[in-house]
Amino acid sequence: QQPVQSPQAVILREGEDAVINCSSSKALYSVHWYRQKHGEAPVFLMILLKGGEQMRHEKISASFNEKKQQSSLYLTASQLSYSGTYFCGFSGNDYKLSFGAGTTVTVRA
Amino acid sequence: NAGVTQTPKFQVLKTGQSMTLQCAQDMNHEYMSWYRQDPGMGLRLIHYSVGAGITDQGEVPNGYNVSRSTTEDFPLRLLSAAPSQTSVYFCASSPVAGGRTDTQYFGPGTRLTVL
Repeated sequence: QQPVQSPQAVILREGEDAVINCSSSKALYSVHWYRQKHGEAPVFLMILLKGGEQMRHEKISASFNEKKQQSSLYLTASQLSYSGTYFCGFSGNDYKLSFGAGTTVTVRA
Repeated sequence: NAGVTQTPKFQVLKTGQSMTLQCAQDMNHEYMSWYRQDPGMGLRLIHYSVGAGITDQGEVPNGYNVSRSTTEDFPLRLLSAAPSQTSVYFCASSPVAGGRTDTQYFGPGTRLTVL
């Protein structure tokens, strides 16, 4: 079952912040975040493990609430290079990694 | 290292035809997987493999077959193509722990159109 990701799309001006949320109906072992530019393959941003710390990639950070089975990605002081589609991926006790439908982020000058 | 390679990059099929999408990696990764990407649906897992000789189904396996005879290769076979299989297909690989704790390295994708 795919994670539920929101919002579907967000438009920002450079320097603004945004939050992308992801939730699951199954128990989670880890949360992955990827970014995909148009016409390209998804690229890894970070992994958050059960019981682990909040992670950071440049000015992008993420949190993982194991009890609520939710994760959030925080885009801080957004840059033009942050534009793209962001996917959360959830993994449980098996080896499957299921992705959400994606959030399209557009950062404008 | 070439990383994860996929061939072909583009393919057009007629309904009912069969074909194989190729995926290879040179990083000695144990875990490999296939995803399809459709507008508004994100990435959906088709099949995955935790090592040579071991495969399992993902979320949307119907109409697709896989095999893993070597660590390097993980081909995806469409048995009888249907228009609903029009999509972009991504192959990914990662070290031993696969989807749980490891980075997934994605190939460049194959854009498939079924008429």
